[in-house]
Amino acid sequence: DSGVTQTPKHLITATGQRVTLRCSPRSGDLSVYWYQQSLDQGLQFLIQYYNGEERAKGNILERFSAQQFPDLHSELNLSSLELGDSALYFCASSVGGLTGGGTGELFFGEGSRLTVL
Amino acid sequence: QKEVEQDPGPLSVPEGAIVSLNCTYSNSAFQYFMWYRQYSRKGPELLMYTYSSGNKEDGRFTAQVDKSSKYISLFIRDSQPSDSATYLCAMSLNSGGYQKVTFGIGTKLQVIP
Repeated sequence: DSGVTQTPKHLITATGQRVTLRCSPRSGDLSVYWYQQSLDQGLQFLIQYYNGEERAKGNILERFSAQQFPDLHSELNLSSLELGDSALYFCASSVGGLTGGGTGELFFGEGSRLTVL
Repeated sequence: QKEVEQDPGPLSVPEGAIVSLNCTYSNSAFQYFMWYRQYSRKGPELLMYTYSSGNKEDGRFTAQVDKSSKYISLFIRDSQPSDSATYLCAMSLNSGGYQKVTFGIGTKLQVIP
């Protein structure tokens, strides 16, 4: 158990809809990262927050947004969903602003599997 | 061209075999090199990380980095069915005050009893 909690584990919805994925980081971790994993693309970095502030953006679509709250949990909002958004969405956390204190060690949750029909 | 290239496999080996997993990269600014293991329906977990060129050993696992060739490897000795998983290489560099981590696509490994 990594200590990172993600909900929901599975989500099935229709095109055009909006969903929210939630992540609680490990106790004491200030950084939260969101990744999208599909079969043909591997793990794609979406966005990083550190202590409530956005720190880095990756290949995140404009239809997607995220935030990190004062209690350090984070939410990823996906709107106007398309079939191609079906994927596993992972949240990861690390101790500091530098991933894993500078080494790149991320602690991943078990993911939220999104299916768009 | 992707920054990190990794053969997705699948790779199937008999129990007890030595497994060699590899990644190449194009960005010479990468500082840390990592291997994550991902079991089916689970999140990736860090196996090993290295900073410099050379070898690092942890039990049956050896990570090797060759910065001059931009090539990293993970060797698994005496492979076990429990090693069946997807192995992702990852590399990080300091970008604007944070560590940017880039993952390979992952190699799916199956160890057959």
